Amino acid sequence: DGGITQSPKYLFRKEGQNVTLSCEQNLNHDAMYWYRQDPGQGLRLIYYSQIVNDFQKGDIAEGYSVSREKKESFPLTVTSAQKNPTAFYLCASSIEQGEAFFGQGTRLTVV
Amino acid sequence: AQSVTQLGSHVSVSEGALVLLRCNYSSSVPPYLFWYVQYPNQGLQLLLKYTSAATLVKGINGFEAEFKKSETSFHLTKPSAHMSDAAEYFCAVTDDTGGFKTIFGAGTRLFVKA
Repeated sequence: DGGITQSPKYLFRKEGQNVTLSCEQNLNHDAMYWYRQDPGQGLRLIYYSQIVNDFQKGDIAEGYSVSREKKESFPLTVTSAQKNPTAFYLCASSIEQGEAFFGQGTRLTVV
Repeated sequence: AQSVTQLGSHVSVSEGALVLLRCNYSSSVPPYLFWYVQYPNQGLQLLLKYTSAATLVKGINGFEAEFKKSETSFHLTKPSAHMSDAAEYFCAVTDDTGGFKTIFGAGTRLFVKA
């Protein structure tokens, strides 16, 4: 089945640690996205990529980093510079002007 | 800059009643418009999309939306609410500069009372 797979579903991070969230798609979509979701704030765009080896900052990129070495994969690293990382993270992919297909999300909690 | 406004962060209806979730957008060119649904602790699923064909768009689970250019609106409706419709709903519009970006509204949480 085609789709987007995010892992892990739940992730716990200690203060000062970097953690990486995985996102893989087998839809052959060019574009991939990372969103952060906090209660009552909708979706906020962190980074997006329209093509392999290229990506752009979204609205809240500070404290995050990404890579796009393969079309299928778009991992997100939450660095220690992100002071309030506890949130629900959603990965998505799309074709140009098309609807976004979302993964099931990763819930990150700082402990 | 483009924007999407969803009127009402929370909407409550009785089971069997009409569901109306409001969405207004701003765009300098004819947009592509979407409604998504999100159940707790899950990703978003596409309900329906408008891509400049028919102005009344039918989606899954009995939902439909009407594109009204004069009102810059794309409201979501369902004639009869079911308990399983309780979820958060997001309206979205594609970026009018072209390309891949999508602008999401803040979301409306729908409560369905028995």
